[in-house]
Order: sequence, then C-alpha cells, then structure tokens
Amino acid sequence: AQTVTQSQPEMSVQEAETVTLSCTYDTSESDYYLFWYKQPPSRQMILVIRQEAYKQQNATENRFSVNFQKAAKSFSLKISDSQLGDAAMYFCAYRPTGNQFYFGTGTSLTVIP
Amino acid sequence: KAGVTQTPRYLIKTRGQQVTLSCSPISGHRSVSWYQQTPGQGLQFLFEYFSETQRNKGNFPGRFSGRQFSNSRSEMNVSTLELGDSALYLCASSFGTGQETQYFGPGTRLLVL
Repeated sequence: AQTVTQSQPEMSVQEAETVTLSCTYDTSESDYYLFWYKQPPSRQMILVIRQEAYKQQNATENRFSVNFQKAAKSFSLKISDSQLGDAAMYFCAYRPTGNQFYFGTGTSLTVIP
Repeated sequence: KAGVTQTPRYLIKTRGQQVTLSCSPISGHRSVSWYQQTPGQGLQFLFEYFSETQRNKGNFPGRFSGRQFSNSRSEMNVSTLELGDSALYLCASSFGTGQETQYFGPGTRLLVL
C-alpha cells in the first residue's frame, strides 16, 4: 500500500527561527515525485517544493529546503527564517509515475511572533 | 496564465439532493483530479481524469461521479447527498499524468443540511 505519514499534527516555531516538518512514505516504486504543499487559512493549496526521486540533490526554494533520504523513505521540509506568513497546514504528498497523488494528514504550523 | 477555477465557491444543499461542481484547469493542462477534504479524514482522492478518460479512482461510493469534457473542464457530481458529504472539494490540474505537479483551485465548500 502506498501511504504517506506525517507524525507531527502540530508544530510551532518562533519567528525568524528554523523548523523541520517530518514526512515518511511507504512504496515499492522506484520512480516517483515528492511534494510539499501549504494550505493557509484561505484554504488555497500552494506548492512549496518538489523533489524528483531519481535526484540525489535535495531541492531548495528560497527559505524552504528538503532532506530527502530515499533509502529511509523520508522527506522532511525545513523552513528557515520563519515568517508569520508561513503559518499554515503543510501536506506532504507522493506521486508514483502515472498514478494518483497520495497525501499525508498534514502538519499545522504556528509561527509565534 | 489563469489558475484553476472552481464554481461555485459555496453551496448549501439538503440531504437527498444532488450537486454538480465544476472545475476549469489551467490552460494547456489535460489532467484534472478531485479531492474531498474534511477535518476528520484529511485529503481524500476521488478520481483523476485525463483526456476525457477516468485514469484513477479513489475509494468512494458510486454516488460520486465525474466527467471531463474535450476542453479539459471537469465536473463532479454527487447524488443523494448525505450529511457526511459536507466538505471542501478541491480540484487540481496538471499537464499530464506522470510526475507533474498538481495545481489546486480554491475549492468548493459544500454544506449538506
């Protein structure tokens, strides 16, 4: 079964600090993509970052970076210099080739001023 | 490019009625996926359409159906509404059905009374 697990239902971080959100997934596929989406209170899902499984280099987008450990099937998101606008629900997602997306249950991030 | 649009944004129905939700993908995108989001169940995959064909289907009863038109616009229909169908219904589009990133619409919030 393809599953995505986010073990932290809630996280908080001080403004300007760094926080890491965890995600693990279960798959027997070798070719797939991984994603982090952000859902702020507006409920609009926004792509934060994506990682191709065949790439060893971790993806980075400005203050957002991932730690992709393929053998461990782990895909964590690091947010540096946290800002108030980063407060949202964060979803980890996995997509094997030609198949549907599988989403985790989400981590609610609070940013403390 | 315009983003994914969903209509209507809000809907109130009563039990037993049926409802049709519409989704217009990003121009050039041929794949449309539908998700149900509830506080208790998170994001649940409903189905994915590509070039007017259903490619993947989630674990939902037959009351939930969809279709895609030649212009890639998609509709989702729920018949014989139940209270438990109250949810945010999200549509997402992507260029194809490989590993492409999905881009989400703002959602349709359905309340069943």
